[in-house]
Amino acid sequence: DTAVSQTPKYLVTQMGNDKSIKCEQNLGHDTMYWYKQDSKKFLKIMFSYNNKELIINETVPNRFSPKSPDKAHLNLHINSLELGDSAVYFCASSQDGGHHSGNTIYFGEGSWLTVV
Amino acid sequence: GEDVEQSLFLSVREGDSSVINCTYTDSSSTYLYWYKQEPGAGLQLLTYIFSNMDMKQDQRLTVLLNKKDKHLSLRIADTQTGDSAIYFCAERKSYIPTFGRGTSLIVHP
Repeated sequence: DTAVSQTPKYLVTQMGNDKSIKCEQNLGHDTMYWYKQDSKKFLKIMFSYNNKELIINETVPNRFSPKSPDKAHLNLHINSLELGDSAVYFCASSQDGGHHSGNTIYFGEGSWLTVV
Repeated sequence: GEDVEQSLFLSVREGDSSVINCTYTDSSSTYLYWYKQEPGAGLQLLTYIFSNMDMKQDQRLTVLLNKKDKHLSLRIADTQTGDSAIYFCAERKSYIPTFGRGTSLIVHP
């Protein structure tokens, strides 16, 4: 079973469209994240949710809206897509509290978004 | 400057040891991690070290932590072509895992 799964893996869409990327984790973690990786491989955190509550919202355009219906899911909705949104988006999760696991962050396989 | 810094490239010969270095800024970081990303794939956790440790060894991987200098290194012994990838250093403080820009390790015969 995949621990952190995100869909779709590849997405090609036109400018101005609205799209969503879904993420689910079956690890029982209480914190989930969205990261954006640009063409230079730089990983930048976008959002973090803990128990369905938003705890981090970095400088991200408000066209990006995360939604967490429950602890196991954190979806990313993007409105009015722009060329600069082309990137790889990674979902991740971790269990906070306790040192035995190293609070390890587990990543999904990534969603390759191309805006044309 | 950035919170976590790494050099962008490292080239080694197959069979040699690779040492990838990382510096971080926040002395309150509790955990430090090394992740590996192969082309077209996600990030795979290689190892992590708790901030009260100096060293951790796991088969071919050795992590050294110098807390005074806020310096972390990953040594890969007997580097193989399959080790070619991007290696990310990351620190964890509170809820925020912050990543470096990644070091591209190129292994040539």
